[in-house]
Amino acid sequence: GQNIDQPTEMTATEGAIVQINCTYQTSGFNGLFWYQQHAGEAPTFLSYNVLDGLEEKGRFSSFLSRSKGYSYLLLKELQMKDSASYLCAVLDSNYQLIWGAGTKLIIKP
Amino acid sequence: SAVISQKPSRDICQRGTSLTIQCQVDSQVTMMFWYRQQPGQSLTLIATANQGSEATYESGFVIDKFPISRPNLTFSTLTVSNMSPEDSSIYLCSVASGTDNSEMSPLHFGNGTRLTVT
Repeated sequence: GQNIDQPTEMTATEGAIVQINCTYQTSGFNGLFWYQQHAGEAPTFLSYNVLDGLEEKGRFSSFLSRSKGYSYLLLKELQMKDSASYLCAVLDSNYQLIWGAGTKLIIKP
Repeated sequence: SAVISQKPSRDICQRGTSLTIQCQVDSQVTMMFWYRQQPGQSLTLIATANQGSEATYESGFVIDKFPISRPNLTFSTLTVSNMSPEDSSIYLCSVASGTDNSEMSPLHFGNGTRLTVT
């Protein structure tokens, strides 16, 4: 079967750095997405990785290792507004999006 | 990026009734999807809304329960029929962004419809 694993919840301190991991086992791979979802709101797109390596976008970076079936989202200089759920989703060989359950990130002052 | 208007934003419905959710996009999009998200859970794809033909349903979802219309490239509706409390969830409309509308395009989501069935 197809599976995406992410930690259920993480806590970090304002101003710090946090890494949210995502591991996947899917039928093929056509890219990995990260989305942010604030409570009661719709998900919003953060990043897309299809090649190995690190993609940096301001305070957020996303890393992919296809051989390890692994990705992480790195958030730097954490702000209170970063408190949200972070969803990992993989596009499989049939271009179906397989979604993780999301990681709830709690930022403390 | 596409602006998506979804309504209603929330509703409380009685068991056995039906609710139609509307999704309006401010530009023509090829790929439009309907998702369900239960509290604390992952997004589950219900179906892909196809313009001019029947929607493509995922395993576990059927047309009789979730009829979908897609009359043009900017509008779609999802009906939740003969509702039961198990249908209480957030329903999200989404479209693929990007000029090529490819499968690798990121999804943009409407704000969702929070449905409670009593």
